[in-house]
Amino acid sequence: KQEVTQIPAALSVPEGENLVLNCSFTDSAIYNLQWFRQDPGKGLTSLLLIQSSQREQTSGRLNASLDKSSGRSTLYIAASQPGDSATYLCAVYHYGGSQGNLIFGKGTKLSVKP
Amino acid sequence: GAGVSQTPSNKVTEKGKYVELRCDPISGHTALYWYRQSLGQGPEFLIYFQGTGAADDSGLPNDRFFAVRPEGSVSTLKIQRTERGDSAVYLCASSLVGGRRETQYFGPGTRLLVL
Repeated sequence: KQEVTQIPAALSVPEGENLVLNCSFTDSAIYNLQWFRQDPGKGLTSLLLIQSSQREQTSGRLNASLDKSSGRSTLYIAASQPGDSATYLCAVYHYGGSQGNLIFGKGTKLSVKP
Repeated sequence: GAGVSQTPSNKVTEKGKYVELRCDPISGHTALYWYRQSLGQGPEFLIYFQGTGAADDSGLPNDRFFAVRPEGSVSTLKIQRTERGDSAVYLCASSLVGGRRETQYFGPGTRLLVL
Protein backbone atom coordinates (compact mmCIF):
# COMPACT_ATOMS: atom_id res chain seq x y z
CA LYS A 1 0.00 0.00 0.00
CA GLN A 2 1.38 3.38 -1.03
CA GLU A 3 2.07 5.72 1.88
CA VAL A 4 3.26 9.31 1.69
CA THR A 5 5.14 10.92 4.58
CA GLN A 6 6.12 14.55 4.99
CA ILE A 7 8.81 15.82 7.30
CA PRO A 8 8.82 18.08 9.23
CA ALA A 9 5.18 18.39 10.27
CA ALA A 10 5.75 22.06 11.06
CA LEU A 11 8.49 24.54 10.32
CA SER A 12 9.07 28.14 11.42
CA VAL A 13 11.72 30.26 9.74
CA PRO A 14 12.64 33.95 9.59
CA GLU A 15 11.90 35.85 6.42
CA GLY A 16 14.56 35.56 3.72
CA GLU A 17 15.72 32.05 4.56
CA ASN A 18 15.96 29.32 1.96
CA LEU A 19 14.20 26.16 3.09
CA VAL A 20 13.53 22.57 2.08
CA LEU A 21 10.41 20.51 2.65
CA ASN A 22 10.64 16.75 2.38
CA CYS A 23 8.26 14.14 1.02
CA SER A 24 8.80 10.38 0.89
CA PHE A 25 6.71 7.59 -0.59
CA THR A 26 6.93 3.86 0.00
CA ASP A 27 6.33 2.55 -3.53
CA SER A 28 8.34 3.96 -6.43
CA ALA A 29 5.70 2.89 -8.99
CA ILE A 30 4.24 6.36 -9.47
CA TYR A 31 3.06 8.31 -12.52
CA ASN A 32 3.86 11.69 -11.04
CA LEU A 33 4.20 13.69 -7.86
CA GLN A 34 2.56 17.00 -7.13
CA TRP A 35 3.13 19.69 -4.56
CA PHE A 36 0.15 21.71 -3.35
CA ARG A 37 -0.27 24.69 -1.09
CA GLN A 38 -3.22 24.99 1.30
CA ASP A 39 -4.06 28.23 3.08
CA PRO A 40 -6.20 28.14 6.25
CA GLY A 41 -9.84 27.66 5.36
CA LYS A 42 -9.03 27.38 1.67
CA GLY A 43 -8.72 24.65 -0.90
CA LEU A 44 -5.54 23.34 -2.47
CA THR A 45 -3.51 25.22 -5.04
CA SER A 46 -1.27 23.19 -7.32
CA LEU A 47 2.33 24.44 -7.24
CA LEU A 48 4.36 21.95 -9.25
CA LEU A 49 3.79 18.62 -10.98
CA ILE A 50 6.75 16.35 -11.71
CA GLN A 51 6.19 13.46 -14.10
CA SER A 52 7.87 10.18 -13.19
CA SER A 53 10.35 10.62 -16.04
CA GLN A 54 11.44 14.05 -14.80
CA ARG A 55 13.96 14.97 -12.14
CA GLU A 56 12.79 18.46 -11.24
CA GLN A 57 10.43 21.32 -11.95
CA THR A 58 10.83 25.02 -11.24
CA SER A 59 8.36 27.84 -10.85
CA GLY A 60 9.64 31.19 -9.65
CA ARG A 61 11.19 30.75 -6.21
CA LEU A 62 10.05 27.13 -6.01
CA ASN A 63 12.01 24.12 -7.14
CA ALA A 64 10.81 20.55 -6.70
CA SER A 65 12.99 17.51 -7.24
CA LEU A 66 12.05 13.87 -7.61
CA ASP A 67 14.18 10.79 -6.96
CA LYS A 68 11.79 7.99 -7.80
CA SER A 69 14.19 5.17 -7.03
CA SER A 70 14.70 6.33 -3.46
CA GLY A 71 11.08 7.39 -3.02
CA ARG A 72 11.84 11.01 -2.23
CA SER A 73 10.92 14.50 -3.31
CA THR A 74 11.96 17.87 -1.98
CA LEU A 75 10.39 21.28 -2.37
CA TYR A 76 12.93 24.07 -2.17
CA ILE A 77 11.69 27.59 -1.42
CA ALA A 78 14.19 30.37 -2.00
CA ALA A 79 14.18 33.67 -0.12
CA SER A 80 11.08 32.85 1.90
CA GLN A 81 8.45 35.53 2.50
CA PRO A 82 5.64 35.84 5.08
CA GLY A 83 3.19 35.23 2.23
CA ASP A 84 4.64 31.74 1.85
CA SER A 85 3.11 30.77 5.20
CA ALA A 86 0.73 27.89 4.51
CA THR A 87 0.53 24.11 4.65
CA TYR A 88 2.38 22.35 1.85
CA LEU A 89 1.12 18.95 0.73
CA CYS A 90 2.70 16.45 -1.58
CA ALA A 91 0.69 13.80 -3.41
CA VAL A 92 1.47 10.93 -5.75
CA TYR A 93 -0.43 9.19 -8.51
CA HIS A 94 0.32 5.54 -7.84
CA TYR A 95 0.24 2.77 -10.49
CA GLY A 96 -1.89 0.68 -8.23
CA GLY A 97 -4.51 3.35 -7.76
CA SER A 98 -7.39 4.50 -9.90
CA GLN A 99 -7.11 7.32 -12.37
CA GLY A 100 -8.51 9.69 -9.79
CA ASN A 101 -6.68 8.51 -6.76
CA LEU A 102 -4.10 11.01 -5.58
CA ILE A 103 -2.45 9.82 -2.36
CA PHE A 104 -1.54 12.69 -0.06
CA GLY A 105 0.84 13.20 2.81
CA LYS A 106 -0.30 15.00 5.95
CA GLY A 107 1.51 18.18 5.00
CA THR A 108 4.14 20.52 6.41
CA LYS A 109 2.83 23.66 8.08
CA LEU A 110 5.21 26.49 7.23
CA SER A 111 5.36 29.77 9.11
CA VAL A 112 7.62 32.54 7.82
CA LYS A 113 8.20 35.25 10.40
CA PRO A 114 8.74 38.85 9.26
CA GLY B 1 -11.82 32.00 -15.64
CA ALA B 2 -13.88 30.72 -12.73
CA GLY B 3 -12.40 27.98 -10.62
CA VAL B 4 -14.06 25.07 -8.87
CA SER B 5 -16.81 26.24 -6.55
CA GLN B 6 -18.44 24.38 -3.68
CA THR B 7 -21.57 25.10 -1.71
CA PRO B 8 -22.25 25.50 1.09
CA SER B 9 -18.92 26.65 2.47
CA ASN B 10 -19.97 25.50 5.94
CA LYS B 11 -22.63 23.05 7.04
CA VAL B 12 -23.67 22.22 10.59
CA THR B 13 -26.08 19.35 11.06
CA GLU B 14 -27.27 17.00 13.73
CA LYS B 15 -26.37 13.35 13.99
CA GLY B 16 -28.70 11.24 11.90
CA LYS B 17 -29.62 13.96 9.41
CA TYR B 18 -29.16 13.90 5.63
CA VAL B 19 -26.85 16.39 3.90
CA GLU B 20 -26.02 17.29 0.31
CA LEU B 21 -22.79 18.98 -0.75
CA ARG B 22 -22.50 20.56 -4.19
CA CYS B 23 -19.55 20.98 -6.51
CA ASP B 24 -19.35 23.10 -9.67
CA PRO B 25 -16.26 22.11 -11.65
CA ILE B 26 -14.32 24.28 -14.05
CA SER B 27 -16.32 24.64 -17.24
CA GLY B 28 -15.34 22.00 -19.79
CA HIS B 29 -13.64 19.69 -17.32
CA THR B 30 -14.88 16.14 -17.79
CA ALA B 31 -13.21 14.63 -14.74
CA LEU B 32 -14.41 15.38 -11.21
CA TYR B 33 -13.09 14.11 -7.89
CA TRP B 34 -14.26 14.17 -4.28
CA TYR B 35 -11.87 14.00 -1.33
CA ARG B 36 -12.35 14.20 2.43
CA GLN B 37 -9.86 15.94 4.71
CA SER B 38 -9.97 15.39 8.47
CA LEU B 39 -8.20 17.75 10.84
CA GLY B 40 -4.44 17.40 10.63
CA GLN B 41 -4.61 14.92 7.76
CA GLY B 42 -4.09 15.06 4.04
CA PRO B 43 -7.08 14.69 1.73
CA GLU B 44 -8.35 11.15 1.20
CA PHE B 45 -9.92 10.06 -2.07
CA LEU B 46 -13.63 9.29 -2.12
CA ILE B 47 -14.87 9.05 -5.71
CA TYR B 48 -13.90 9.94 -9.28
CA PHE B 49 -16.29 10.77 -12.14
CA GLN B 50 -15.50 10.62 -15.82
CA GLY B 51 -18.40 12.45 -17.41
CA THR B 52 -21.64 11.29 -15.84
CA GLY B 53 -20.39 7.97 -14.56
CA ALA B 54 -18.44 7.07 -11.46
CA ALA B 55 -15.18 5.61 -12.75
CA ASP B 56 -13.98 4.73 -9.27
CA ASP B 57 -15.94 4.90 -6.01
CA SER B 58 -13.55 2.76 -4.01
CA GLY B 59 -12.90 5.52 -1.49
CA LEU B 60 -16.49 5.90 -0.30
CA PRO B 61 -16.36 4.72 3.33
CA ASN B 62 -19.76 2.99 3.44
CA ASP B 63 -23.18 2.94 1.84
CA ARG B 64 -24.28 6.09 3.64
CA PHE B 65 -22.20 8.03 1.12
CA PHE B 66 -23.35 8.48 -2.45
CA ALA B 67 -22.47 10.91 -5.23
CA VAL B 68 -24.05 11.80 -8.54
CA ARG B 69 -23.17 13.84 -11.61
CA PRO B 70 -26.26 13.50 -13.80
CA GLU B 71 -25.33 15.92 -16.60
CA GLY B 72 -21.58 15.56 -16.48
CA SER B 73 -21.02 18.93 -14.86
CA VAL B 74 -22.28 19.70 -11.34
CA SER B 75 -21.85 16.93 -8.78
CA THR B 76 -23.61 16.33 -5.48
CA LEU B 77 -22.18 14.30 -2.61
CA LYS B 78 -24.93 12.91 -0.43
CA ILE B 79 -24.50 11.62 3.10
CA GLN B 80 -27.33 9.80 4.83
CA ARG B 81 -27.74 9.30 8.58
CA THR B 82 -24.76 11.50 9.36
CA GLU B 83 -22.42 10.54 12.18
CA ARG B 84 -20.04 12.68 14.22
CA GLY B 85 -17.13 10.94 12.51
CA ASP B 86 -18.29 12.38 9.18
CA SER B 87 -17.17 15.82 10.34
CA ALA B 88 -14.43 16.96 7.96
CA VAL B 89 -13.72 19.23 5.03
CA TYR B 90 -15.08 17.78 1.81
CA LEU B 91 -13.00 18.87 -1.19
CA CYS B 92 -13.96 18.71 -4.83
CA ALA B 93 -11.50 18.86 -7.72
CA SER B 94 -11.75 18.76 -11.50
CA SER B 95 -9.41 18.18 -14.41
CA LEU B 96 -9.76 18.56 -18.16
CA VAL B 97 -10.04 14.96 -19.36
CA GLY B 98 -8.99 12.85 -16.39
CA GLY B 99 -5.92 10.75 -16.13
CA ARG B 100 -2.82 10.45 -14.09
CA ARG B 101 -0.75 13.05 -15.90
CA GLU B 102 -3.09 15.97 -15.28
CA THR B 103 -3.18 18.54 -12.53
CA GLN B 104 -6.33 18.50 -10.45
CA TYR B 105 -7.83 21.88 -9.59
CA PHE B 106 -9.40 22.04 -6.15
CA GLY B 107 -12.31 24.01 -4.77
CA PRO B 108 -12.32 25.71 -1.35
CA GLY B 109 -14.16 22.82 0.28
CA THR B 110 -17.26 22.40 2.41
CA ARG B 111 -16.69 22.21 6.15
CA LEU B 112 -19.15 19.73 7.58
CA LEU B 113 -19.75 19.58 11.32
CA VAL B 114 -22.02 16.88 12.69
CA LEU B 115 -23.18 17.58 16.24
